[in-house]
Amino acid sequence: SYVLTQPPSVSVAPGQTAKIACGGNDIGSKSVHWYQQKPGQAPVLVVYDDSDRPSGIPERFSGSTSGNTATLTISRVEAGDEADYYCQVWDSSSDLLFGGGTKLTVL
Amino acid sequence: EVQLVESGGGLIQPGGSVRLSCVASGVTVSSNYMSWVRQAPGKGLEWVSSMYMSGRIDNADSVKGRFTISRDHSKNTLYLEMNSLRADDTAVYYCARGVDDLYYMDVWGKGTTVTVSS
Repeated sequence: SYVLTQPPSVSVAPGQTAKIACGGNDIGSKSVHWYQQKPGQAPVLVVYDDSDRPSGIPERFSGSTSGNTATLTISRVEAGDEADYYCQVWDSSSDLLFGGGTKLTVL
Repeated sequence: EVQLVESGGGLIQPGGSVRLSCVASGVTVSSNYMSWVRQAPGKGLEWVSSMYMSGRIDNADSVKGRFTISRDHSKNTLYLEMNSLRADDTAVYYCARGVDDLYYMDVWGKGTTVTVSS
């Protein structure tokens, strides 16, 4: 079955750029989606289809994929960006699949 | 505005059953790709089950044979019938509207909590 691997945590100072990786075999050939989840709240879609943003999501959030890694990039990080972030794909062997999640800490 | 509201969670004994409901507004359940996703305490997101517009159903291996997704067009409601519940089914259960050609979920409910314990 397909596996998505995320680092458990990423830390960044306010105003800097955060990069959250999501590893998977040939993930560049799949459509990757990213969700933000703040404590006690439901997930929110922040990037879909590798690099598209839903309406209402700031341009500071961007996505990319290459080879075996997808990356969510958050520019000019703010305190309000502190949250858990999950990548997600669909795979024929695993159906709908989430990564384990990355906790973003804003220092 | 699209809104999904889940209900039906609670404290269930091991081996018991419960039916979760997800009432939709601003969107027609039977015309969309709808899913249930759960999150165990302190854990990540886990996909549970999905229903396509066509009525096709996909289930995670962990719930096959125990959970059944269904919908009622007249009530614009999505359901998750959960049987033979185990302690590891304890989680917040989210209802979500998705896009079935790319398989992402763009609208989520606030969730309902199911606790399986004696």
